Amino acid sequence: EAQVTQNPRYLITVTGKKLTVTCSQNMNHEYMSWYRQDPGLGLRQIYYSMNVEVTDKGDVPEGYKVSRKEKRNFPLILESPSPNQTSLYFCASREGFLGNQPQHFGDGTRLSIL
Amino acid sequence: AQSVTQPDIHITVSEGASLELRCNYSYGATPYLFWYVQSPGQGLQLLLKYFSGDTLVQGIKGFEAEFKRSQSSFNLRKPSVHWSDAAEYFCAVYTGGTSYGKLTFGQGTILTVHP
Repeated sequence: EAQVTQNPRYLITVTGKKLTVTCSQNMNHEYMSWYRQDPGLGLRQIYYSMNVEVTDKGDVPEGYKVSRKEKRNFPLILESPSPNQTSLYFCASREGFLGNQPQHFGDGTRLSIL
Repeated sequence: AQSVTQPDIHITVSEGASLELRCNYSYGATPYLFWYVQSPGQGLQLLLKYFSGDTLVQGIKGFEAEFKRSQSSFNLRKPSVHWSDAAEYFCAVYTGGTSYGKLTFGQGTILTVHP
């Protein structure tokens, strides 16, 4: 089954404690991205990757890092989380970078930073 | 830069009633347009998309949307709502060029269905 898998689904942690949210897709997609969803703001792109070792900032990259060492994995790293990063996070993948191709979303990761 | 506006934050309808969710976009040319649905605890599922051609597009779960260039709108409709349609709905646009594949999402509309 084609899917995007995120882990963990839920995480409560404290300010400053580094954390990583993993994302893996099994569709051999080139394009992957991370979004955060906040009430009243919709989804905003954090980072995206057009292929292995190619990443770039989205609209709200501050406080986040990503890496793309393998095609299937695109982890989101919060080196020093702060309460304003409490949010619902989605990983997504697409076959290529063209936006007319369907985008597949993971089920989301709800982060609470205390 | 492109933008997407969903004017209605929350809509409540009775089961069996018709539904229309509004979406307006701001962009100089015709973008690629999408509607996604997010059920509680789940990711986003694509309902339908418009790229070109017939301005009335059919999607899954009995939804349809109409692209109106003159109004810069792409409203989502369903003739008869089912309780299982309760969810949050997002309109999104892709405009290509230097956006490098980014989808720009609206703020979302939460749909509540009363029995």
